[in-house]
Amino acid sequence: VQLVESGGGLVQPGKSLKLSCSASGFTFSSYGMHWIRQAPGKGLDWVAYISSSSGTVYADAVKGRFTISRDNAKNTLYLQLNSLKSEDTAIYYCARPGMDAWGQGASVTVSS
Amino acid sequence: DVVLTQTPPTLSATIGQSVSISCRSSQSLLHSNGNTYLHWLLQRPGQSPQLLIYLVSRLESGVPNRFSGSGSGTDFTLKISGVEAEDLGVYYCVQGTHAPLTFGSGTKLEIK
Repeated sequence: VQLVESGGGLVQPGKSLKLSCSASGFTFSSYGMHWIRQAPGKGLDWVAYISSSSGTVYADAVKGRFTISRDNAKNTLYLQLNSLKSEDTAIYYCARPGMDAWGQGASVTVSS
Repeated sequence: DVVLTQTPPTLSATIGQSVSISCRSSQSLLHSNGNTYLHWLLQRPGQSPQLLIYLVSRLESGVPNRFSGSGSGTDFTLKISGVEAEDLGVYYCVQGTHAPLTFGSGTKLEIK
């Protein structure tokens, strides 16, 4: 089982970014998936969840700004981050619901 | 949202010492399906979190058996029987019984 995030970077406040999480070693389409973030020096915070049937749920802090999606044909999970704020600066991890697989993280820095 | 209160926030141990970490939930984590979705993670410095214990007391594959989990309802404990140098890092409890997924604030284990 492997999860590999990409797409992180430095972005100005108010701008957008799209993260990807490429999955391998398991039947991706059968699993719901989470995005979880960790601000510098802080703990873990859940961001969003997408079910195997593409139902979605968001944390209040990102609702209306972030969009989670998936492409089962590409075994890839996405997180579209819009209207970014400085408080969105974090490492973003994709993870399976059982917490048994995590990616290496994608670093997002929101700064002017 | 379910609040997980972890104690202590920091722990200093010598090699071979046994230590315990407590995780208390603001509500029962017993799911209607009979499972209790309380898991323990370790995040080593500079790494992604990894699963140690799932469903309260089940040892994840590849995890040394010096790690054990116990508890029920709202009170849970992670025990390390004989700390080793590689055990340093931050330990998190996480619950998946009640949406949204929530994490404890973490316990940092330092090696004396």
